[in-house]
Amino acid sequence: GQQVMQIPQYQHVQEGEDFTTYCNSSTTLSNIQWYKQRPGGHPVFLIQLVKSGEVKKQKRLTFQFGEAKKNSSLHITATQTTDVGTYFCEGGATNKLIFGTGTLLAVQP
Amino acid sequence: GAVVSQHPSWVICKSGTSVKIECRSLDFQATTMFWYRQFPKQSLMLMATSNEGSKATYEQGVEKDKFLINHASLTLSTLTVTSAHPEDSSFYICSATGGSSNQPQHFGDGTRLSIL
Repeated sequence: GQQVMQIPQYQHVQEGEDFTTYCNSSTTLSNIQWYKQRPGGHPVFLIQLVKSGEVKKQKRLTFQFGEAKKNSSLHITATQTTDVGTYFCEGGATNKLIFGTGTLLAVQP
Repeated sequence: GAVVSQHPSWVICKSGTSVKIECRSLDFQATTMFWYRQFPKQSLMLMATSNEGSKATYEQGVEKDKFLINHASLTLSTLTVTSAHPEDSSFYICSATGGSSNQPQHFGDGTRLSIL
């Protein structure tokens, strides 16, 4: 069946360093969504990417959708302690929604 | 906008009890609602997809008779864990979308269920 893997599983950075998480699907996706879940909280929608090769920015966050629509990345520039949490990608394909395995980001002040 | 309310946020009950969890979309009509289960430090596992007025579609391995889902209106879906046992203890989260399955999901705060 379809799988959505994220790497790394865990990343520990110093505040101010950059961070990137990668999302890889075993099948082509019609779109991809990114969510952030703070410890003890629920996932919060960040962004949706639909077009092949699409790049979107939200302040220090840059999201990219691969040309083949099978992978995506989230890059955070100059991390802050407020960026702490688990970042999930979620891919849509033929009405099937699957969450990635998630990347837990820890930021040390 | 796009607020989803989930209630209760925390439940502790004895083994054998049935527990009902409500998921409401407060400011939009939720065509589709999803129910997830999340274990500590793990990803969200989709349990079932619920469309208003029709039977829920359960994922493989999820017992329909164990996890009863009702989506009676465009703003309310309920998940009932019947005859709960300790292995059912988990974090249950609902989400809702207002349109097609390509729409972003808006999540409730989740329900922590502990069965003693």
